Amino acid sequence: QKEVEQDPGPLSVPEGAIVSLNCTYSNSAFQYFMWYRQYSRKGPELLMYTYSSGNKEDGRFTAQVDKSSKYISLFIRDSQPSDSATYLCAMSATVSGYALNFGKGTSLLVTP
Amino acid sequence: DAEITQSPRHKITETGRQVTLACHQTWNHNNMFWYRQDLGHGLRLIHYSYGVQDTNKGEVSDGYSVSRSNTEDLPLTLESAASSQTSVYFCASSGGEGDTQYFGPGTRLTVL
Repeated sequence: QKEVEQDPGPLSVPEGAIVSLNCTYSNSAFQYFMWYRQYSRKGPELLMYTYSSGNKEDGRFTAQVDKSSKYISLFIRDSQPSDSATYLCAMSATVSGYALNFGKGTSLLVTP
Repeated sequence: DAEITQSPRHKITETGRQVTLACHQTWNHNNMFWYRQDLGHGLRLIHYSYGVQDTNKGEVSDGYSVSRSNTEDLPLTLESAASSQTSVYFCASSGGEGDTQYFGPGTRLTVL
């Protein structure tokens, strides 16, 4: 079993919908949690970065971490066609300069 | 602006040839990483470096090598290319404490 599990999708939603993306993990030592967005044929770009449990909000994006359940989520409000991309969760047990453990990514399509 | 670049962006080579992929960052980051990305596997760590003259093996290091002679560059060498090494390769860098990883645009490698 991989340390980080992520449903690959694809997930298709209409424009304006609320999107929920999730990852589960098995290593209780993970403390640093990230969400990356990757457009087709591009490198991953950092979207959200949280430490330990709790919520973090940035515009239309909210990241949640529940360490007791070993579960992290990314919510996208008022989704736009430009949000269509693959979303990768990543996590680390140490300061985030060290090697990250990635989920396989969820493909999201937002239709106009 | 500081950035991370990879070259070439596309490469086709033959089985058995030696191939070197370049990665250059201008952030003066100590930490650099090489990943490969394949359908069904997500991002997998090949090698990483925490500073000049430091290199470490990742999850899928067989058949690959790196060297770190300065802060800015971490070239990835395929000693004898195999068809199983056809993939998209991403380089990333990180400043370390409290920082996350920033990715390059990727190199698409095809081994025939």
